[in-house]
Amino acid sequence: AQRVTQPEKLLSVFKGAPVELKCNYSYSGSPELFWYVQYSRQRLQLLLRHISRESIKGFTADLNKGETSFHLKKPFAQEEDSAMYYCALSGHMGGATNKLIFGTGTLLAVQP
Amino acid sequence: DVKVTQSSRYLVKRTGEKVFLECVQDMDHENMFWYRQDPGLGLRLIYFSYDVKMKEKGDIPEGYSVSREKKERFSLILESASTNQTSMYLCASRASGRIYEQFFGPGTRLTVL
Repeated sequence: AQRVTQPEKLLSVFKGAPVELKCNYSYSGSPELFWYVQYSRQRLQLLLRHISRESIKGFTADLNKGETSFHLKKPFAQEEDSAMYYCALSGHMGGATNKLIFGTGTLLAVQP
Repeated sequence: DVKVTQSSRYLVKRTGEKVFLECVQDMDHENMFWYRQDPGLGLRLIYFSYDVKMKEKGDIPEGYSVSREKKERFSLILESASTNQTSMYLCASRASGRIYEQFFGPGTRLTVL
């Protein structure tokens, strides 16, 4: 079954500390993976996608097919990084479109 | 600037009422989605539509129905609202293809009393 697992509901770090938000997936084909972010009182928005191999706001994520992981990392956390982060998987799952499957989310709290 | 709008930010209804949540996108996207967002459960897909008048059930369709009469508009209907449908409802749209970004609306917080 297609699934996205985010094992941590809450991750609390101090400003300047490294951050790693974990994401593991289960998918039989070749997945496309995304990280979405929701800041307080804002709409959910795309942070980055694995196909782009880019760094956004200092965050990077590498797809590891052997470990079926797509962890989100940032070397030095900032207070403005505090938000809810969702990992999402896109793949052909039957029907006429590709759906996104979301993990349950990790709330990142960066303490001053 | 791409836009997904939802008809209400906050809605309070009584048990048994029929509730309509409206979503409009201006990006000419083929695909539209309705999710509910609950703490600890993340985003759960209720229904989605890949074309006008086409719809497919998501993971939790029970108690809900949808309508897509025009490409830009996707409505979520609660036929008889119940207290366990109190939640944040998010609409989204996306172009066809696996790699494309999904754009979200601001959400409607529905409270059923």
